[in-house]
Amino acid sequence: KQEVTQIPAALSVPEGENLVLNCSFTDSAIYNLQWFRQDPGKGLTSLLLIQSSQREQTSGRLNASLDKSSGRSTLYIAASQPGDSATYLCAVTNTGGFKTIFGAGTRLFVKA
Amino acid sequence: GAGVSQSPSNKVTEKGKDVELRCDPISGHTALYWYRQSLGQGLEFLIYFQGNSAPDKSGLPSDRFSAERTGGSVSTLTIQRTQQEDSAVYLCASSLEWGYGYTFGSGTRLTVV
Repeated sequence: KQEVTQIPAALSVPEGENLVLNCSFTDSAIYNLQWFRQDPGKGLTSLLLIQSSQREQTSGRLNASLDKSSGRSTLYIAASQPGDSATYLCAVTNTGGFKTIFGAGTRLFVKA
Repeated sequence: GAGVSQSPSNKVTEKGKDVELRCDPISGHTALYWYRQSLGQGLEFLIYFQGNSAPDKSGLPSDRFSAERTGGSVSTLTIQRTQQEDSAVYLCASSLEWGYGYTFGSGTRLTVV
């Protein structure tokens, strides 16, 4: 059974700092991995999707990496801004199944 | 449509009543998913539709929960005889096909009193 863990659960950083959010999963037979952000009281916004054959994806100040063999993904946020404050969720879709399993998220607060 | 639309955005119902939650996916998206997010909890998978069929309904918590999708488009999640533990935000997502990236709706916040 796939389990997805995100560390840390919460993070507070000053504006301008570079930061890394971690995601680990127990079953390496994944099809893809997605990173989302969720703002309070709102739905999820897709940030990056990494296929199992890829090592990383980049979008603006965001870079996500994937190491299937070690069951890990990281989301790197460069030059953080107060507008980056949100909960970041990692989600894994396995091969041979249909559901996508979500981690509990990392709550990020960027101080101005 | 331009995005995934869910209605109502908020629903307060009395314990024991039935409720229907609606999801209108992005036009052309064949895959549709329902998730539930309880207060302070992660997302819990409920059901996956491919077209009008549901190959995976393993996440439905009890037989009080059912869902259907018609015309390969709109989906309805029905909860019968609601209980207080059903209170949560119900999120719908769609994707072009299974394995593609998800687009989520804004959710329906259900409160059972």
